Amino acid sequence: GAVVSQHPSRVICKSGTSVKIECRSLDFQATTMFWYRQFPKQSLMLMATSNEGSKATYEQGVEKDKFLINHASLTLSTLTVTSAHPEDSSFYICSAPDRTFTEAFFGQGTRLTVV
Amino acid sequence: DAKTTQPPSMDCAEGRAANLPCNHSTISGNEYVYWYRQIHSQGPQYIIHGLKNNETNEMASLIITEDRKSSTLILPHATLRDTAVYYCIVGGFGNEKLTFGTGTRLTIIP
Repeated sequence: GAVVSQHPSRVICKSGTSVKIECRSLDFQATTMFWYRQFPKQSLMLMATSNEGSKATYEQGVEKDKFLINHASLTLSTLTVTSAHPEDSSFYICSAPDRTFTEAFFGQGTRLTVV
Repeated sequence: DAKTTQPPSMDCAEGRAANLPCNHSTISGNEYVYWYRQIHSQGPQYIIHGLKNNETNEMASLIITEDRKSSTLILPHATLRDTAVYYCIVGGFGNEKLTFGTGTRLTIIP
């Protein structure tokens, strides 16, 4: 089946620095990818929709200048958390629908800890 | 998107069938029912989806009531690896943008 890979799986960074998370579709092209955030013991919350070749669409309440999304190719979307703060510590997950949009494939997630 | 209601937690004995209910009373005619699960600290995994007919695949069965206001996911022979949070989601075909509810935390007991 189709695979979506995220990197890194874990990252620890200092407050004020930026962190980039990569999401790759390994054996299919994804014109659209989605970024979610999940806090401990909570459900996944959609942050933004990443569109290849155009600007991302952000959900209400998500700061687009803080969470920069780039979808430069059909197999890669990146999420950059800028000027990270401890409250940005969370589990970030990307997903991409398959060609028929029957199901969504999820990456393994990235656990970000800001110290 | 229509909302869903699931019990927060359930236990099931290993080897028995796990039946996970979901209420979606406001589902519209063209919306599908999707099930995903999330094992601890991993990304969600697709299980099954359906519109109005019952569906079965290698992982599970999906039973949708005739009025489509509720459904049940059935794991026929639960194993310890089935311990996870199970999410019932309704949405249009393609369901690109998934809206996750709180899900059901299923614990398989040895």
